[in-house]
Amino acid sequence: AQSVTQPDIHITVSEGASLELRCNYSYGATPYLFWYVQSPGQGLQLLLKYFSGDTLVQGIKGFEAEFKRSQSSFNLRKPSVHWSDAAEYFCAVGLSNDYKLSFGAGTTVTVRA
Amino acid sequence: ETGVTQSPTHLIKTRGQQVTLRCSSQSGHNTVSWYQQALGQGPQFIFQYYREEENGRGNFPPRFSGLQFPNYSSELNVNALELDDSALYLCASSTGTGGFYEQYFGPGTRLTVT
Repeated sequence: AQSVTQPDIHITVSEGASLELRCNYSYGATPYLFWYVQSPGQGLQLLLKYFSGDTLVQGIKGFEAEFKRSQSSFNLRKPSVHWSDAAEYFCAVGLSNDYKLSFGAGTTVTVRA
Repeated sequence: ETGVTQSPTHLIKTRGQQVTLRCSSQSGHNTVSWYQQALGQGPQFIFQYYREEENGRGNFPPRFSGLQFPNYSSELNVNALELDDSALYLCASSTGTGGFYEQYFGPGTRLTVT
């Protein structure tokens, strides 16, 4: 069955430390891959996307993600987190012959001082 | 350039009632998708409208219906509200219907059914 999995429900990280959020997908073909962030009470903001080409993509707010076809993964990273990075992060996939985005369950990031 | 807007921000309804949520798409976008985000979960696709026609539908019952207008704004209607309909409803607009078209999300409408 097609699915998007974010294995970590909640991650706590110290301010200034690095952050990595995991995303795995199960689709027959390589989907289009997205990472969104949602602050409390807000809608979704696109951080970055992967369609093809270079497997390391840069996004906004200092985030980057790496696509690994062999592992069916698209993990999100940030070298040094800021307190403002505390939010919910969603991995999403889209297919060229489909119209919707399918989301993972999300990972909540807490940043401690 | 105006982003995606939604109204109202919050709404409280009673079980069995009907509700209409509204969405204005981003300038230049002709496609609107609606998602339901229950507490602690990722958004779930409800349906998509493209040029005033329903273009696809997720696993939601017929009491969830929608409209898209000539200016590409959209409404989501939910009849016979149930307690489980309590959620954040997100609208997203895009310039096309395929999975590679970037979807821009509005802030959402928080619906509480009591």
